[in-house]
Order: sequence, then C-alpha cells, then structure tokens
Amino acid sequence: DGGITQSPKYLFRKEGQNVTLSCEQNLNHDAMYWYRQDPGQGLRLIYYSQIVNDFQKGDIAEGYSVSREKKESFPLTVTSAQKNPTAFYLCASSIPGPRRRNEKLFFGSGTQLSVL
Amino acid sequence: AQSVTQLGSHVSVSEGALVLLRCNYSSSVPPYLFWYVQYPNQGLQLLLKYTTGATLVKGINGFEAEFKKSETSFHLTKPSAHMSDAAEYFCAVSDSAAGNKLTFGGGTRVLVKP
Repeated sequence: DGGITQSPKYLFRKEGQNVTLSCEQNLNHDAMYWYRQDPGQGLRLIYYSQIVNDFQKGDIAEGYSVSREKKESFPLTVTSAQKNPTAFYLCASSIPGPRRRNEKLFFGSGTQLSVL
Repeated sequence: AQSVTQLGSHVSVSEGALVLLRCNYSSSVPPYLFWYVQYPNQGLQLLLKYTTGATLVKGINGFEAEFKKSETSFHLTKPSAHMSDAAEYFCAVSDSAAGNKLTFGGGTRVLVKP
C-alpha cells in the first residue's frame, strides 16, 4: 500500500547527541514536510521541501537539519543545538497542484522523541 | 502572516449530541482552510477543506464546516457524536501563494461520554 513511513516510533536522545528521524514515502509526491507537535501548541513547521535537492526553513528550524537527496526520503536530524527536543514529530507529503492550489497533506504516524 | 485560533483545548460531549469545534483565522489573502483529525498515536487525517465555491463543506465521518468570511471563522460540526469521534482536531489555514504550507491551530481534544 502507498503511504508515509516514519521510523522509529519512539526515540531517545542523550545530552549533546544528534539523532535522525526517518521519513519515507512511496506516493511519488514532490513535496515533503516536517512538523513538530507540542501539547496545546498544535503543529509547527520545521522544514519543507518542494522538490529534490531543495528545502526551506519553516517557522522553527533552529536546531534542526534536513536533506532531500531522493524524492521518497526526507530525514530530519535533531542536533545538539536543539535545547528542547522532546516532542512528537510528524512527517507529511503532498503533490503541489499545477496552479499551486493546495492539495491535502498525507501524514505519517509520527515519532516520539524524548531526552534521557 | 497567518494564524489560527481554536477556542477550547478540550471539549466533552455526550454520545448523540452535537459536536461544535470553533476555529477562527487571520489571513491577509483569501485563505484555504482545513480540518484534520488525529487519533491516538497516529498521524493526521484530512476531514474536509475549503478552497473556493460553496461555503458549507461536507467531509468524512459526517462532519461539516462552514466558511464565514465576515466572521473569519471555519467552525466544525457534527449533528450526532459517536464514540469513535474521540480524537484531537486541528484547524489549519494556508496561503495559496505559499503552496502547501499549513499553519495549524492549537488543537481541540474531543471526549465523547456514553
């Protein structure tokens, strides 16, 4: 079945450690996104990529990095510079329409990151 | 800049009662508006969206929402709540010029009482 796969489901980070969250999609979507979810704050956009080898910062990009070397993959690295990394991370993808009309986002099932 | 405000972080309804979740937005351009639902430990699923045309939008699972430009609102309703409607609901707005980037509200958790 087509969809978005995030792994791992749970991840623990030690102080000063970088960790990478995986996001893979087989929907042939051009655009991919990373959101962070904190209680009571909804979702906030970290990074997004509209096409391979290109990505832009979202609203809260500090302390995070991404790459988009392949269309189907958009890994997110939480660096040691991110001082409050504990959150639920959601990856999403979509097909931007020909007139940049909004298409719906397809979301993965998320990764819960906690700090040890 | 766009923003979304969802009134009430928690809503409790009885099974069979009306579900009403409030969403107000601000946008400097004509908005695209969305409601998403999130079940425990899952990603988000699209309930419905407003782009252009009819202001009353029907979605999945019996939900509907009405876009009221004069009130900058996009409230979500369902006439009769079911136990399976217990979830967290997010309202979101997008600027068409920005493609698919969404700005989400803080979410409303719905509890359904038997």
